[in-house]
Amino acid sequence: EDQVTQSPEALRLQEGESSSLNCSYTVSGLRGLFWYRQDPGKGPEFLFTLYSAGEEKEKERLKATLTKKESFLHITAPKPEDSATYLCAVHPYGGSQGNLIFGKGTKLSVKP
Amino acid sequence: KAGVTQTPRYLIKTRGQQVTLSCSPISGHRSVSWYQQTPGQGLQFLFEYFSETQRNKGNFPGRFSGRQFSNSRSEMNVSTLELGDSALYLCASSLAPGLVSGQETQYFGPGTRLLVL
Repeated sequence: EDQVTQSPEALRLQEGESSSLNCSYTVSGLRGLFWYRQDPGKGPEFLFTLYSAGEEKEKERLKATLTKKESFLHITAPKPEDSATYLCAVHPYGGSQGNLIFGKGTKLSVKP
Repeated sequence: KAGVTQTPRYLIKTRGQQVTLSCSPISGHRSVSWYQQTPGQGLQFLFEYFSETQRNKGNFPGRFSGRQFSNSRSEMNVSTLELGDSALYLCASSLAPGLVSGQETQYFGPGTRLLVL
């Protein structure tokens, strides 16, 4: 069964304290892995798509990496505005882009 | 370019009633998906529509249904509401269902918060 597990469930950081969020996945074949950011009361906001092991993408203080079994979202020198829930989702082979399998997310809090 | 819009944003219903939620995708997007988000289960796929046809359906009871119109706008309906249907219902749109390397992914709307009393 295809599944996605994110850890930790919650993470509290001080401003400037770098860390990483983990997304482990089990799928029969991976077509793409997605990272989203979700603020309270809002829909998920797209961050990255990764397609193959070894791929990396960066956006401001965020960097996403992908291996054959997991993805990491590295946050460098975070700021309070980075506080949000970060969601990981996979698009397995045989599935559709509109039918993603999501993890339950990591809730990140960054204190000034 | 306007994003995905969903109406209404908030809704309160009682058990046994039915509800219809609406989603307007990004202009030019023809694929619309619906998800249910709850604190316990996270985001769960409901169904996906493309060119007015349902392409995929998640593991939800038949009380949950949807449709898509020729202008790509979509509606979902939940009949005989239960307390457990209280959730944030999210709509997402994309150009097409297929995922092509380098192609844009799906974009989510703000959601409709449904509370069943």
